[in-house]
Amino acid sequence: QVQLKESGPGLVQPSQTLSLTCTVSGFSLTSYDVHWVRQPPGKGLEWMGGIWGDGSTAYNSALKSRLSISRDTSKSQVFLKMNSLQTEDTAIYFCTCTNSGYFDYWGQGVMVTVSS
Amino acid sequence: DIQLTQSPSSMSASLGDRVSLTCQSSQGIGNYLSWYQHKPGKPPKPMIYYATNLADGVPSRFSGSRSGSDYSLTISSLESEDTAIYYCLQYDEYPFTFGSGTKLEIK
Repeated sequence: QVQLKESGPGLVQPSQTLSLTCTVSGFSLTSYDVHWVRQPPGKGLEWMGGIWGDGSTAYNSALKSRLSISRDTSKSQVFLKMNSLQTEDTAIYFCTCTNSGYFDYWGQGVMVTVSS
Repeated sequence: DIQLTQSPSSMSASLGDRVSLTCQSSQGIGNYLSWYQHKPGKPPKPMIYYATNLADGVPSRFSGSRSGSDYSLTISSLESEDTAIYYCLQYDEYPFTFGSGTKLEIK
């Protein structure tokens, strides 16, 4: 069955770079799109960006200058890298996938705290 | 970027009530709108896709509709487990955008 699992550091210092990995199973990254969504504490969901089955990417307008999404299809992994982290980047980060447009499968999420 | 405006921001209703949540798009998105139910400590759960289609495993008391640029999620008979925040998402064009959410509580 389709599964996604996020991993990464729980704590990142301000101005540093966040690196997260989404490891998937049950499908091929060349057939499904994978996206990242985050939720800051007490706030709503925010679409961050995604990587399509053909390898193309798209990003949230407010984040595109410091966000990069890539993948390793042989390892079934999608990577998120975001630089210049600030306290407002503290959030739960989810990866989610789709082959029909809407987000039908989700990981459990990983909490990332930006603090010195 | 396309803006999605959800209303109300919060509401409470009684068990068995018919409840409708609304999501208005700032631009035409066709039927490329989905709804998600989000409970604390869990990932969002897809409820409706392509504006009116029920996602797998979603109870039939949930339904989606569209009138122009207004999209609605309706619960025909509210149950206690429906307490959650509901978000709409447009996936017509990049960047994808979520609405700000409607918090639904039981009276």
